[in-house]
Amino acid sequence: AQSVSQHNHHVILSEAASLELGCNYSYGGTVNLFWYVQYPGQHLQLLLKYFSGDPLVKGIKGFEAEFIKSKFSFNLRKPSVQWSDTAEYFCAVSGGYNKLIFGAGTRLAVHP
Amino acid sequence: GAVVSQHPSRVICKSGTSVKIECRSLDFQATTMFWYRQFPKKSLMLMATSNEGSKATYEQGVEKDKFLINHASLTLSTLTVTSAHPEDSSFYICSAPPSGRAGEQYFGPGTRLTVT
Repeated sequence: AQSVSQHNHHVILSEAASLELGCNYSYGGTVNLFWYVQYPGQHLQLLLKYFSGDPLVKGIKGFEAEFIKSKFSFNLRKPSVQWSDTAEYFCAVSGGYNKLIFGAGTRLAVHP
Repeated sequence: GAVVSQHPSRVICKSGTSVKIECRSLDFQATTMFWYRQFPKKSLMLMATSNEGSKATYEQGVEKDKFLINHASLTLSTLTVTSAHPEDSSFYICSAPPSGRAGEQYFGPGTRLTVT
């Protein structure tokens, strides 16, 4: 069965600190991988996605993620976070029929 | 960009009554839409896939008779929570995939259901 595991449930950082959120998935076939973000009071938005090709993908707002097939991982990174990055981040995998399976989410709080 | 709306954004109902939640794709057609349930401090749980013109496909453990889904047109799917109970209180979110973008979804803003 497909599953997604996010290692950090709650992360607190100061502005300008670097961020890395872990995501591991379990799926037997070809996967599409996503990071979605939910800002306070807003709906889920796509941050970045990986379908194929370059395993290092760049998304909006300076975020990037690296797909490491051998580790079944798709970690999210940002070199320097801002207060406006305070949000909940969800890793997701899609293996077919457009269905998304989400991880538990990581709540990021950035302090000025 | 593509927009998905939900109505209502918030609803309070009494135990035993039914509540209908609408999900609309505003500027694109969606033959498939998805319904999720989000528990406090937890992830989104896929409930069902809504298929235009045919029956919805429910995930394991989701009661079909309790969560009725109708996909009446290419821009509208509805979720009806029948005979609601307090344990049905939750945040319900719908999504729709834009054409040609496999796996990618546009999400609605969600509906907060409170059953008293």
